Amino acid sequence: NAGVTQTPKFQVLKTGQSMTLQCAQDMNHNSMYWYRQDPGMGLRLIYYSASEGTTDKGEVPNGYNVSRLNKREFSLRLESAAPSQTSVYFCASSEVNSGTLGDFGPGTRLTVL
Amino acid sequence: GESVGLHLPTLSVQEGDNSIINCAYSNSASDYFIWYKQESGKGPQFIIDIRSNMDKRQGQRVTVLLNKTVKHLSLQIAATQPGDSAVYFCAENKGTYKYIFGTGTRLKVLA
Repeated sequence: NAGVTQTPKFQVLKTGQSMTLQCAQDMNHNSMYWYRQDPGMGLRLIYYSASEGTTDKGEVPNGYNVSRLNKREFSLRLESAAPSQTSVYFCASSEVNSGTLGDFGPGTRLTVL
Repeated sequence: GESVGLHLPTLSVQEGDNSIINCAYSNSASDYFIWYKQESGKGPQFIIDIRSNMDKRQGQRVTVLLNKTVKHLSLQIAATQPGDSAVYFCAENKGTYKYIFGTGTRLKVLA
């Protein structure tokens, strides 16, 4: 049972480049989330998917798109990266009925030059 | 590398002593709270949670206290060990899919 996995672990982009961050979970959770973590700030929600087939904006969605590919996978896409998107990105999953956000991935550290 | 801010409040505790980490939350209507541990370069790890109908909840070596009157949470770690060194932060639930996360406190365990 791998829990929540993310790829890549590290990435450096130039301004304007695009990339997709991948996330998968093997716990059969319905809900999945993308957060970013910046120095001096708490985790901030970018997008979430309450269940397969649905996605919704979080607190800081601008510059990002997401795809809930199936129940296991939830990807985050940066279409045109900006230096302000330099951050550590975490994927998480939960079983909505429990309300507990208990499972996070190891993170992707992204630097945009 | 570090995954949270450089200027986090730091609590330094002697190995074997008890640690108390505090958190203030914002919304008096919040009904569910979680404490997380985050080691350097890793994702947040769930430690313990508490619902607003409780004042105290205990786990293995950890206790969470909730004071709704002053909107305050604390995490107590008994017999602190070197492996407890990490950043600890709280989260309050603001709806089914929405949480507000604190910035955290760095716990340093001194040998």
